[in-house]
Amino acid sequence: EVQLLESGGGLEQPGGSLRLSCAASGFTFSSHAMSWVRQAPGKGLEWVSVINNGDGSTYYADSVKGRFTISRDNSKNTLYLQMNSLRAEDTAVYYCAGRVQIPAAGTLDYWGRGTLVTVSS
Amino acid sequence: EIVLTQSPATLSLSPGERATLSCRASQSVSSYLAWYQQNPGQAPRLLIYGASNRATGIPVRFSGSGSGTDFTLTISSLEPEDFAVYYCQHHNNWPYTFGQGTKLEIK
Repeated sequence: EVQLLESGGGLEQPGGSLRLSCAASGFTFSSHAMSWVRQAPGKGLEWVSVINNGDGSTYYADSVKGRFTISRDNSKNTLYLQMNSLRAEDTAVYYCAGRVQIPAAGTLDYWGRGTLVTVSS
Repeated sequence: EIVLTQSPATLSLSPGERATLSCRASQSVSSYLAWYQQNPGQAPRLLIYGASNRATGIPVRFSGSGSGTDFTLTISSLEPEDFAVYYCQHHNNWPYTFGQGTKLEIK
């Protein structure tokens, strides 16, 4: 069974940093692109970042470019999101997600439960 | 960046009725359009990819159509568990973007 389990969320002050982790199991983690998607309270979905398998290329939404860094450790089956220079507008539930079974790049067929990040003084 | 506009914002229907949700893209995404369902407090679930392909385990009452800039998600006969928020998302190229969502509520 595919499982994605996020951790690392919490309350942080503006300008601060947090590191989110996502532990993956039930599939060959190194063979799949992985992503972070966020959802502000009562709002819609925003795709934050994606890291490809193979060459490890990364992509970011303009709203987080230069502040957030996505990475992966295939030996630990873990995805990360380093978030620096946090702003109030980064407050959201952050979901780890991946495309595991669907033959269509840019889609997400498995999601974690999410971890809440709150940026406030 | 491709902007996806969903309509209506809210759709009020009864169980057993047919639901038609729309998604319009600001430029062509060919057939690279997905649909997700999200229930309160839960992660989204992929329903449709490539405009018309059902994801694994998705009931046949869900169908998708369209290409280019205009897309439709149809639920043929609403079940109680179908009342949720639905998002479209293009998977043409980065940045992948979502629509603002359509809330399907019980009338």
